[in-house]
Amino acid sequence: DVVMTQSPLSLPVTLGQPASISCRSSQSLVHNNGNTYLHWFQQRPGQSPRRLIYMISNRDSGVPDRFSGSGSGTDFTLKISRVEAEDVGVYYCMQGTFRPPTFGPGTKVEIK
Amino acid sequence: EVQLVESGGDLVQPGGSLRLSCIASGFTFSNYWMTWVRQAPGKGLEWVANIGKDGRDTYYVDSVRGRFTISRDAAKNSLYLQMHSLRDDDTAVYYCARDRDFHNFDLWGQGTTVTVSS
Repeated sequence: DVVMTQSPLSLPVTLGQPASISCRSSQSLVHNNGNTYLHWFQQRPGQSPRRLIYMISNRDSGVPDRFSGSGSGTDFTLKISRVEAEDVGVYYCMQGTFRPPTFGPGTKVEIK
Repeated sequence: EVQLVESGGDLVQPGGSLRLSCIASGFTFSNYWMTWVRQAPGKGLEWVANIGKDGRDTYYVDSVRGRFTISRDAAKNSLYLQMHSLRDDDTAVYYCARDRDFHNFDLWGQGTTVTVSS
């Protein structure tokens, strides 16, 4: 199975400051069709997960443009340009290129 | 409204069985793969199983294969997870999710809680 790792696992951030989460996979996530199925999910406290970004860098409808995704191959990054209070929660990367799909351990974002 | 609503979670003894349901609304159910993802208390997300648009293709994580069965009923816009031989480590919130191409989970339910304990 593809192993997904994230760093940091805990991220205290000052309101209005940027935040960055790294996600790495144990093998390249480029599918034979040329696409890379790396997605990001947000789980706010007490809520279900919500997809934020799909296929590396595509923001979901309704997701603020302060969220952005980048990367390629085995290294990916989720960035929040200016953290707001509503961004508190756990962020998971997930690969869908290979079966079984696998999630990273999650990064907990909290306000300092 | 486009949504998924799970039900069926309960407290069950080790070795017992349970059937989870997920009702889809607001979209054409038969156009999508569907999946179950679980989250143990205080832990991360784990994909459990998924099923093709017509129900013929099913896949499972190794830890549940042979014990869990995923199925769907197009007429009822419903997804199911039949769970047998439940173990303590099956304790989790179980989410159903709409599964676009290549495990791309774009819509999630609110979850249903399964507790396996004597």
